[in-house]
Amino acid sequence: GEDVEQSLFLSVREGDSSVINCTYTDSSSTYLYWYKQEPGAGLQLLTYIFSNMDMKQDQRLTVLLNKKDKHLSLRIADTQTGDSAIYFCARPNSGYALNFGKGTSLLVTP
Amino acid sequence: DTEVTQTPKHLVMGMTNKKSLKCEQHMGHRAMYWYKQKAKKPPELMFVYSYEKLSINESVPSRFSPECPNSSLLNLHLHALQPEDSALYLCASSQEKQGADTQYFGPGTRLTVL
Repeated sequence: GEDVEQSLFLSVREGDSSVINCTYTDSSSTYLYWYKQEPGAGLQLLTYIFSNMDMKQDQRLTVLLNKKDKHLSLRIADTQTGDSAIYFCARPNSGYALNFGKGTSLLVTP
Repeated sequence: DTEVTQTPKHLVMGMTNKKSLKCEQHMGHRAMYWYKQKAKKPPELMFVYSYEKLSINESVPSRFSPECPNSSLLNLHLHALQPEDSALYLCASSQEKQGADTQYFGPGTRLTVL
């Protein structure tokens, strides 16, 4: 199976909270990342969490890390139409690259 | 400032053309990366430069030729590409090599090979 897995689609109503989930198999990473990609654009680093943390909050974003279950989630509070994008979970591998999940397409409807 | 810039934004080229993609960062980062991203897929690593030396070549065909003229610049020279090479090419940089350091991405160059 894939090292990093994400569900592919999520649809929410504007103003609701969005929760995007990610699971991974290799627990050796020091950091875990969330990137956002809007249509036709590059990857924007949204937030990251160090592996010795359980939670990190940054304005509307909350990252939760469950190391036992190797589960990472990104919660977006008060989701807006501008949050519609693809969200990638990523972790560094033992070399130089980032191992990405396939990305979750978030659609925010009015 | 965490900005990585890339030029051009869009590029259309024929299979016999030679063109170059450019990437620049002024964050003092010493590792720079080229990724290729096909539609609806995650980015795939192509090359890594660390301290201006090529560290990783992920079995990329020789029609792609990277160059790192100095610590702020990264080029990708393209020659005799195939239509299947059409993709978004992303540049990234980080402070050090080997992956515990955060990678910052540029906006990408959308390449179309006719």
